[in-house]
Amino acid sequence: GAVVSQHPSRVICKSGTSVKIECRSLDFQATTMFWYRQFPKQSLMLMATSNEGSKATYEQGVEKDKFLINHASLTLSTLTVTSAHPEDSSFYICSATPGTNEKLFFGSGTQLSVL
Amino acid sequence: AQSVSQHNHHVILSEAASLELGCNYSYGGTVNLFWYVQYPGQHLQLLLKYFSGDPLVKGIKGFEAEFIKSKFSFNLRKPSVQWSDTAEYFCAVSLFGNEKLTFGTGTRLTIIP
Repeated sequence: GAVVSQHPSRVICKSGTSVKIECRSLDFQATTMFWYRQFPKQSLMLMATSNEGSKATYEQGVEKDKFLINHASLTLSTLTVTSAHPEDSSFYICSATPGTNEKLFFGSGTQLSVL
Repeated sequence: AQSVSQHNHHVILSEAASLELGCNYSYGGTVNLFWYVQYPGQHLQLLLKYFSGDPLVKGIKGFEAEFIKSKFSFNLRKPSVQWSDTAEYFCAVSLFGNEKLTFGTGTRLTIIP
């Protein structure tokens, strides 16, 4: 089956540094990728929708200058948390789909801890 | 490592039929359990979640799920499905106190009018 690879699985960084998370579709071309964040004791929150070759669409309340999303190719999207702070510590997960009405595949997620 | 299994890959039902989608997980500790739905062309939406308390959880749109700890299961049910329930359904599990989510591979539900 289709695989979405997300890297790194865990990252610990100092406050003020930037962290890049990669999401790759390994055996299909992902026209759309989604980035989610999991808050404690809550459900997933959609952060942004990323379409290849165009600017990401951010959900209300998500700072686009803080969470930079790049979808430069049909198999790779990156999320960069700029100037990370402890409140950015969370679990981030990406998902990818070959097309609008196609199946959704999930990465394994990234646990970010900002000290 | 924990894993989540959804054995039904594609379920086809007629309107008004009853629905049960299976979800089993492998971890033996305390877990948080979720069911998400993806309607065609849309992103994930939360149907329901279980953190603690009553193992029978009621969600939106008439869905419910029952956590059976002894069976490591969290099956999703709906007594009478509608055409608008056509979607992809994902079960997800996280460990208590940890946000890391593990998703099942999803079940595509097709409702025939």
